[in-house]
Amino acid sequence: AQSVTQLDSQVPVFEEAPVELRCNYSSSVSVYLFWYVQYPNQGLQLLLKYLSGSTLVKGINGFEAEFNKSQTSFHLRKPSVHISDTAEYFCAVSKSNAGKSTFGDGTTLTVKP
Amino acid sequence: KAGVTQTPRYLIKTRGQQVTLSCSPISGHRSVSWYQQTPGQGLQFLFEYFSETQRNKGNFPGRFSGRQFSNSRSEMNVSTLELGDSALYLCASSLDGSNSPLHFGNGTRLTVT
Repeated sequence: AQSVTQLDSQVPVFEEAPVELRCNYSSSVSVYLFWYVQYPNQGLQLLLKYLSGSTLVKGINGFEAEFNKSQTSFHLRKPSVHISDTAEYFCAVSKSNAGKSTFGDGTTLTVKP
Repeated sequence: KAGVTQTPRYLIKTRGQQVTLSCSPISGHRSVSWYQQTPGQGLQFLFEYFSETQRNKGNFPGRFSGRQFSNSRSEMNVSTLELGDSALYLCASSLDGSNSPLHFGNGTRLTVT
């Protein structure tokens, strides 16, 4: 079985500062990796995904993530955050079926002016 | 293209009652997954349906059941409600559930009193 650990439950940053949200996973087989964002009172939206190929993945809203197989990590980064990036972010992993994904506990990103 | 639609948005039920939640996936999506989201347990996988068949199931009691219709619409039923069933129930659809990312609805907020 796979598992996902999001290392920070809350990350406060100032506007225009860089941010990194950390995600480690464990799995004995190759996996697909995803980052989703959830705004209050809404469902989750896909930010980016890693299926195969280049380990640096670019997503929407200026986010990117790097897949590191040796460290089993998939950290999310943004060079300059905005107030509107305040939300909860979830890292997810799946084996062969993204319909059955395992989610981390989420990281609340709070961007302060 | 219309997104994933979940109805109703809010529900208040009493212990012992049963409830049915509905989900209409994105047109053309054949896989529908259900997740329970609570502050304490995070996002927990309930089950996934593909072409009217339950393809995967999470670790929830038999009180939780679902089905999928020929038009890919899905319903989830919870019988004999318990206080602990209070949660946000999220439906997600994907093209075929393999490595296709999930598209989430805004959820149904169920409160059991």
